Amino acid sequence: QSALTQTASVSGSPGQSITISCTGSSTDIGAYNYVSWYQQHPGKAPKLMIYDVTSRPSGVSHRFSGSKSGHTASLTISGLQAEDEADYYCSSYTTSSTLVFGGGTKLTVL
Amino acid sequence: EVQLLESGGGFVQPGGALRLSCAASGFTFRNFAMSWVRQAPGKGLDWVASITSSSVNVYYADSIKGRFIISRDNTKNTIYLQMNSLRAEDTAVYYCAQDRLSLSLWGQGTLVTVSS
Repeated sequence: QSALTQTASVSGSPGQSITISCTGSSTDIGAYNYVSWYQQHPGKAPKLMIYDVTSRPSGVSHRFSGSKSGHTASLTISGLQAEDEADYYCSSYTTSSTLVFGGGTKLTVL
Repeated sequence: EVQLLESGGGFVQPGGALRLSCAASGFTFRNFAMSWVRQAPGKGLDWVASITSSSVNVYYADSIKGRFIISRDNTKNTIYLQMNSLRAEDTAVYYCAQDRLSLSLWGQGTLVTVSS
């Protein structure tokens, strides 16, 4: 199972919005609405930010939103804040009953 | 408190074996599928294996199939990862996580180093 494709890095200034994309195929993102997004700060465990493409777990800021079109999912962070600087990973359930992650995107808040 | 606590990591030579444990607390463990995810130093997340709530179904990444075994004991609120025939490329922090579609709760991870 090949990893999902994410842009290696993205940056934005405080208050701006950024979007991170995650491209898969018909056997993962295109097959199910089981796309999740995780935030990971250095030396910390990942944290679930979005699940089932668009849903936010309790306690996650409304500034985080998810979407999907075809084989590509996206995470948008609005009103960027310094604490949003982290690595972000997408994941998708696959037709092989496995889970696949993206390679990760490093977000820098300028 | 809802948490997952991994243990069992350490240093092992290539070809060796190690068993990781993950103790769950603060939620009804027997109702949830569980997963292992690893992260090599400086690299991204890599799904390893998942097990359904009653152990009926287990799922493995191709990279570890035939070498690793995931299991659970619902009486002890614990999942395990038996790792055999370890290779240098298995060096990583191993996380256990709740569920298998979206991983809503993660442990702090345990480091496994495979080296001669």
